[in-house]
Amino acid sequence: GAGVSQSPSNKVTEKGKDVELRCDPISGHTALYWYRQSLGQGLEFLIYFQGNSAPDKSGLPSDRFSAERTGGSVSTLTIQRTQQEDSAVYLCASSLAPSGYTEAFFGQGTRLTVV
Amino acid sequence: GDSVTQMEGPVTLSEEAFLTINCTYTATGYPSLFWYVQYPGEGLQLLLKATKADDKGSNKGFEATYRKETTSFHLEKGSVQVSDSAVYFCALSVSADGLTFGKGTHLIIQP
Repeated sequence: GAGVSQSPSNKVTEKGKDVELRCDPISGHTALYWYRQSLGQGLEFLIYFQGNSAPDKSGLPSDRFSAERTGGSVSTLTIQRTQQEDSAVYLCASSLAPSGYTEAFFGQGTRLTVV
Repeated sequence: GDSVTQMEGPVTLSEEAFLTINCTYTATGYPSLFWYVQYPGEGLQLLLKATKADDKGSNKGFEATYRKETTSFHLEKGSVQVSDSAVYFCALSVSADGLTFGKGTHLIIQP
């Protein structure tokens, strides 16, 4: 596709359930990022994939959060045993090279609501 | 660690007013600096960037100058329009790391 695609656009889940959020980056982009946007908290870095290197997981808030990137393309962010504080917009971005050198393109995000 | 501080909003201005949104940063290395904008109902998009000291990024009438001595990257526009209403995020990136964002400034332009 022309841009970064995220699905679903909205997800409502019950506390304690697991959720999977999907990101399709722009074709050919080697760098992929996940961020979380909470009201009044700005954008919180979660995880960063660059090519075949081990991902930078330093931003994941707890071990309930995990992410993988298969074949250097599609990425899935998984949140296990969701809590109400996980409610936020989860944003994915990709770039042709590490973001310090080139523009990062963002998807529209997945709005997660945990009830 | 790296961090970005930007002025809290919302900032409300009248059309054609002069705009400044302050942004300061701390970084462990020599960062590239960015302003991203999020228009209502849309995803974030790059507005402008600067990669070294004294560089000026500009786009759509907005400008920001990379000031290493004051660790700042303030966003300015001489005459704002209603269509500039959005949330503006200052960000930095050191080398091959991901982007570190500020909390965002909500800008409201009234006709």
